[in-house]
Amino acid sequence: EDQVTQSPEALRLQEGESSSLNCSYTVSGLRGLFWYRQDPGKGPEFLFTLYSAGEEKEKERLKATLTKKESFLHITAPKPEDSATYLCAVGGGEYLQGAQKLVFGQGTRLTINP
Amino acid sequence: DAGVIQSPRHEVTEMGQEVTLRCKPISGHNSLFWYRQTMMRGLELLIYFNNNVPIDDSGMPEDRFSAKMPNASFSTLKIQPSEPRDSAVYFCASSFRRGGTDTQYFGPGTRLTVL
Repeated sequence: EDQVTQSPEALRLQEGESSSLNCSYTVSGLRGLFWYRQDPGKGPEFLFTLYSAGEEKEKERLKATLTKKESFLHITAPKPEDSATYLCAVGGGEYLQGAQKLVFGQGTRLTINP
Repeated sequence: DAGVIQSPRHEVTEMGQEVTLRCKPISGHNSLFWYRQTMMRGLELLIYFNNNVPIDDSGMPEDRFSAKMPNASFSTLKIQPSEPRDSAVYFCASSFRRGGTDTQYFGPGTRLTVL
């Protein structure tokens, strides 16, 4: 069974204090690892997809990396507007007809204090 | 381009009442997913449609839940009768497979409260 574990559950940083969020996964044949951002009262917003170990993607202050067992979301010099819950999901062995079935982690709640 | 549209955004009902949630996927997408999000269980996939056909409903909690997709631009999730433990945020997401990959785009959700 595909599993995703995110850590820490919550992280509080000062503005400008860089850090990383972790997503550990077990999957029978990774078909994609997805990062989403979710603001309170809103739906998850797509950030990145990574497909193979060693792959990296960047968007503004965020950079996602992938190994065979985990992914990191690095946040460099964060600002208060980066405060949100960050969700990690894997598309893996269970491939539904026509599309991927995603298994989500519980998320990391990130707070950036000014 | 409009994203996934869900209605209503908030629903408060009493136990035993029927609840219908609605979703309009992104135009051109051929896959549609219904999720439920709670603090305890996070995001859970309830049911998935491909080209308007239900493919996997193994996540539907029980027979009180049903979903339909009569055409490519509309889907409903119905709970009858509703119970307090159904209180959650329900999300609809859609995707289109391109080059062997597909990204799911989520709607704003419907917050359901069953009293």
